[in-house]
Amino acid sequence: NAGVMQNPRHLVRRRGQEARLRCSPMKGHSHVYWYRQLPEEGLKFMVYLQKENIIDESGMPKERFSAEFPKEGPSILRIQQVVRGDSAAYFCASSQYGTGGLNTEAFFGQGTRLTVV
Amino acid sequence: AQSVTQPDIHITVSEGASLELRCNYSYGATPYLFWYVQSPGQGLQLLLKYFSGDTLVQGIKGFEAEFKRSQSSFNLRKPSVHWSDAAEYFCAVGLFSGGYNKLIFGAGTRLAVHP
Repeated sequence: NAGVMQNPRHLVRRRGQEARLRCSPMKGHSHVYWYRQLPEEGLKFMVYLQKENIIDESGMPKERFSAEFPKEGPSILRIQQVVRGDSAAYFCASSQYGTGGLNTEAFFGQGTRLTVV
Repeated sequence: AQSVTQPDIHITVSEGASLELRCNYSYGATPYLFWYVQSPGQGLQLLLKYFSGDTLVQGIKGFEAEFKRSQSSFNLRKPSVHWSDAAEYFCAVGLFSGGYNKLIFGAGTRLAVHP
């Protein structure tokens, strides 16, 4: 059972370009979470998705950022017109259950490190 | 507002020495608490978690943590540190809201181990 797979591991974009980050959850997991880690900071929650639904996007910047988790395929975090401040590590996590309780463990991918030049 | 504080940004210990990493949280209800470790260039790996019951929880790699409600703390400990433990450690609280747990992370403690 493969873990959470993120690709690419490293992504370099020029200012103004678009960045697409992909996350394939663990097999059997239908809950996906995206976090951003700025240099020297902890992880900040961005968005929580279930298949075809955005449950909580309270941590997403209001502009340029979007996320989806289609019925088929990976979850995508999309950043339009990237700026230098978007440079960060973006982590995806998945869980089998999204509700509270003992089964709330989220498994993290290795992250995508975005560099905007 | 809910928050997690890790007071120590950097800690250096000698190999074989004991370790304690501090974590304090601010949360109105009984929290779900987690410790994760992040090795350089890697993702996060769960070390241990507390949901309820025994306040001393055992994790992987010889780590343990103790939940102290009166101090709002969940400190991570290891009796004898190995060089391979050098990494960044994150404490997190799971906030149950809207039917699910959202993880709120501390800023992390970077551990260096001297031979």
